[in-house]
Amino acid sequence: NAGVTQTPKFRILKIGQSMTLQCAQDMNHNYMYWYRQDPGMGLKLIYYSVGAGITDKGEVPNGYNVSRSTTEDFPLRLELAAPSQTSVYFCASSLIRFGAFFGQGTRLTVV
Amino acid sequence: DAKTTQPNSMESNEEEPVHLPCNHSTISGTDYIHWYRQLPSQGPEYVIHGLTSNVNNRMASLAIAEDRKSSTLILHRATLRDAAVYYCILRDSRASGSRLTFGEGTQLTVNP
Repeated sequence: NAGVTQTPKFRILKIGQSMTLQCAQDMNHNYMYWYRQDPGMGLKLIYYSVGAGITDKGEVPNGYNVSRSTTEDFPLRLELAAPSQTSVYFCASSLIRFGAFFGQGTRLTVV
Repeated sequence: DAKTTQPNSMESNEEEPVHLPCNHSTISGTDYIHWYRQLPSQGPEYVIHGLTSNVNNRMASLAIAEDRKSSTLILHRATLRDAAVYYCILRDSRASGSRLTFGEGTQLTVNP
């Protein structure tokens, strides 16, 4: 079982570049989430989705965009990368009344 | 989102039980209580969740107060591999409120 798959695992970006972090799940979960975790800190919710075509902002959405065209995929887009976006990014999925499954994370450095 | 309060850190000895507390005095009737843990350099891992009744699974037990304003995660015999940050989260069971928001959690240290 693949579960939640995030790609890439590591990436170095230059200031001003753009990239898309990929997240895919094969559990037919309707809820999906993106988080960022800065060193030594807790997880902050960036965006979430309750189903295909529906997304909503979390606690720290500025500088990011998402789309949810299918149940399986929930990509996170960074436009104009800034050093403040250096972080570890986690994607998660779940059904409404059950626990969430997390991916292994994408470690992003913006230089 | 209803808020939870946890101690910043706790210590335990190996093979002893651990009781991790969580206060959630503003919990609503549609909020489930979820617990996750995050081992060093890994993504969070689901531990257990419940609504009103106590719950048991292979990892832990969840004891929920009768008024639901607090709960306790119980690890029956702590091992060194249980050293992690433990997060207590309230999750609204309604589709419109299904945000899953993490606080700072409790850092559990397990001594050999």
